[in-house]
Amino acid sequence: GDSVTQMEGPVTLSEEAFLTINCTYTATGYPSLFWYVQYPGEGLQLLLKATKADDKGSNKGFEATYRKETTSFHLEKGSVQVSDSAVYFCALRGSGNTGKLIFGQGTTLQVKP
Amino acid sequence: DVKVTQSSRYLVKRTGEKVFLECVQDMDHENMFWYRQDPGLGLRLIYFSYDVKMKEKGDIPEGYSVSREKKERFSLILESASTNQTSMYLCASSKRGSYNEQFFGPGTRLTVL
Repeated sequence: GDSVTQMEGPVTLSEEAFLTINCTYTATGYPSLFWYVQYPGEGLQLLLKATKADDKGSNKGFEATYRKETTSFHLEKGSVQVSDSAVYFCALRGSGNTGKLIFGQGTTLQVKP
Repeated sequence: DVKVTQSSRYLVKRTGEKVFLECVQDMDHENMFWYRQDPGLGLRLIYFSYDVKMKEKGDIPEGYSVSREKKERFSLILESASTNQTSMYLCASSKRGSYNEQFFGPGTRLTVL
């Protein structure tokens, strides 16, 4: 079945460091790919998405490119801030109209001043 | 502002009790979802509903049931709570259509003693 694998956390960075969180997927067909973020004490919110190969999603300085050849959707940010400390989830939505998402296990990011 | 609300942020119940978790959305969304979130496992889908009175099993439905009598409300029921159901429960909703974003509630942290 479809699945998503994220790099293990936690990831600890200093402010202004470069961030990469790896995400790879297994799916049949052409899934849509998402990054969600969960700030402490809150629910998840959509950070960015890409719906077809070579699409780049971007938001709040974060970017991810849908790479079909490597089945990857790595999250990057050039300069992280303390306020980016959160849990990040990679997810895919397969074909069909139900809107079901399959999530990775989540990666905790801690940014220190 | 779009809103998904959950009836409790924290809940403590005893083994064998019947537990109701309520979720309400004000966005007129067709799809609603219940997930549980556990460290290292990400989010796992328990049940979802794509219309009133319709429900489908997700990946881990055992020990749970759901009810959707009105479009805006989706209830998760633990018929006889057990300690292995101690978890964070997240509700989400989305419009019908495979590209539509899921909006999440803040979560209910359930502890079963």
